[in-house]
Amino acid sequence: AQSVTQLGSHVSVSEGALVLLRCNYSSSVPPYLFWYVQYPNQGLQLLLKYTSAATLVKGINGFEAEFKKSETSFHLTKPSAHMSDAAEYFCAVSFNFGNEKLTFGTGTRLTIIP
Amino acid sequence: KAGVTQTPRYLIKTRGQQVTLSCSPISGHRSVSWYQQTPGQGLQFLFEYFSETQRNKGNFPGRFSGRQFSNSRSEMNVSTLELGDSALYLCASGGGGSTYEQYFGPGTRLTVT
Repeated sequence: AQSVTQLGSHVSVSEGALVLLRCNYSSSVPPYLFWYVQYPNQGLQLLLKYTSAATLVKGINGFEAEFKKSETSFHLTKPSAHMSDAAEYFCAVSFNFGNEKLTFGTGTRLTIIP
Repeated sequence: KAGVTQTPRYLIKTRGQQVTLSCSPISGHRSVSWYQQTPGQGLQFLFEYFSETQRNKGNFPGRFSGRQFSNSRSEMNVSTLELGDSALYLCASGGGGSTYEQYFGPGTRLTVT
């Protein structure tokens, strides 16, 4: 079955340090991959997407992610963490053209240490 | 463009009742998807509508149903509510074409007592 795995349900980093949130997928067909962020009591905000164009994708708020087919990974990074980055992050995948269904990972809660 | 709107934002219902949630997608978007978010199960896909037709369905019981109107607005209905239906229900709007991304509303927080 096609799936998404996020390694680490909680990640803590110091303000100004590198943020690395991990996502691996399992798929027999080329996937479309997304990262979403959720702040408390809010919906999901799209950070970035990979849809088979450039493998290094830049998103909003200084985040970027790299699609690595050989590692079946799509890890999210940010060079320097800011207090406002504290939130829950979800990796998601869709597999079929014209099929809007997203399969989400279990989420990673990011805490920023002052 | 205005974002995705969901009404109501909060709802408290009693077991056995039914509930209807509403979602208005981004102007021009023809796809509306619904997701249930709970602490235990995470984000789970309910169904997706495109041009008034259900195009995809998740693994939820028949108590969960939806529909889409000609203006792309969508409603989701849950009948015979159970305590386990307490969740954040999220609606997502998509262009339905080649862009693939979906934009989420703020959600409706349903509490079943």
